Amino acid sequence: AQKVTQAQTEISVVEKEDVTLDCVYETRDTTYYLFWYKQPPSGELVFLIRRNSFDEQNEISGRYSWNFQKSTSSFNFTITASQVVDSAVYFCALSDTKTSYDKVIFGPGTSLSVIP
Amino acid sequence: DARVTQTPRHKVTEMGQEVTMRCQPILGHNTVFWYRQTMMQGLELLAYFRNRAPLDDSGMPKDRFSAEMPDATLATLKIQPSEPRDSAVYFCASGLVLLAGGPAKTQYFGPGTRLLVL
Repeated sequence: AQKVTQAQTEISVVEKEDVTLDCVYETRDTTYYLFWYKQPPSGELVFLIRRNSFDEQNEISGRYSWNFQKSTSSFNFTITASQVVDSAVYFCALSDTKTSYDKVIFGPGTSLSVIP
Repeated sequence: DARVTQTPRHKVTEMGQEVTMRCQPILGHNTVFWYRQTMMQGLELLAYFRNRAPLDDSGMPKDRFSAEMPDATLATLKIQPSEPRDSAVYFCASGLVLLAGGPAKTQYFGPGTRLLVL
């Protein structure tokens, strides 16, 4: 069965600290997609990244970086030098051919608080 | 900057009343999704459309919920009659699928409709 686990329910860090949000997924498919979304206090879901299962290269975008490891079924997200504006709920998500790519399965989310 | 729009942003209604939520997908996107977000269940897919045709509505309570796409620029989600347990944030998302059976490049979400049923 497909599943996304985000074991960290809530994280608090002090501004400028680095923080890593964990994501572990389960799928029997060999072709799948992984996503991260951000939901700030305003409520809108903001797309951050999409990664397919054949691309294990790590990605860096500004202060954001993603570590995809198929061996451990993990797709972790690191924010470097966190800022107050990073405070949000972050969702990891998965879609694969078993559920059709359209059915994105979301994890429960990790609530990040960045304290000034 | 293309965005998914949803109306209304907030809705308070009484149990038993009909609720209609509207979504305008990003122009050119051929796939539209409806999600519900609650504290207990998280984000759940209710239904989705491809080229205006319903593909899956298995996540939706059939007896009271209905979803339609009257045209390519409008998707609606209706609850009749509404119940307190329907209180949630309802998100619409849209995406573009280029190949049959292939994935949407990504799903772009609207701001949501926050529904409270008293």
